[in-house]
Amino acid sequence: AQTVTQSQPEMSVQEAETVTLSCTYDTSESDYYLFWYKQPPSRQMILVIRQEAYKQQNATENRFSVNFQKAAKSFSLKISDSQLGDAAMYFCAYRTDNYGQNFVFGPGTRLSVLP
Amino acid sequence: KAGVTQTPRYLIKTRGQQVTLSCSPISGHRSVSWYQQTPGQGLQFLFEYFSETQRNKGNFPGRFSGRQFSNSRSEMNVSTLELGDSALYLCASSNPPGTTEAFFGQGTRLTVV
Repeated sequence: AQTVTQSQPEMSVQEAETVTLSCTYDTSESDYYLFWYKQPPSRQMILVIRQEAYKQQNATENRFSVNFQKAAKSFSLKISDSQLGDAAMYFCAYRTDNYGQNFVFGPGTRLSVLP
Repeated sequence: KAGVTQTPRYLIKTRGQQVTLSCSPISGHRSVSWYQQTPGQGLQFLFEYFSETQRNKGNFPGRFSGRQFSNSRSEMNVSTLELGDSALYLCASSNPPGTTEAFFGQGTRLTVV
């Protein structure tokens, strides 16, 4: 069974600074998808960024980028120029194939942004 | 385009009762999946429905069931509620194979007393 680990229960960052959230996963699959979701106090899970395992290039979405190391099974999220609105729980998630929608989530990292 | 809508947002039930939660996916999405979120266990997959058929199921007891209608709306039912069923229940919709990510609703907060 696949597992996702986030070793940092809580992180904090100064506004405008950069922070990196860690995620590792375990799978025997070769094709899969990885995601970072954000859950603010409103509880709505919002997609931050996604990465297809077959793509070597790291995904980037504006201030958000990932460092995907397939051999190491590592998938970290870098947030640049942190903003107060980035404060939330961040979940790393794994999905095995293009048809099944059963995500495996990590335990989450609570990010605080300090003014 | 309207997002994923879950109703009700909040629910209080008594132990032993049963409850039904509803989820309306994004228009055109055929897959609906359900997750239970608790402080202790985190986010856990319950089941997924695609075109009215259950396609995947998580490791939950048979008290948890669901269904999907022809318009892709889905309901989740929990019978014989236990205190441990208190959780945030999240619904997500997607439209594989075209979309790889899932879009989540705001959840239903169920409290069992």
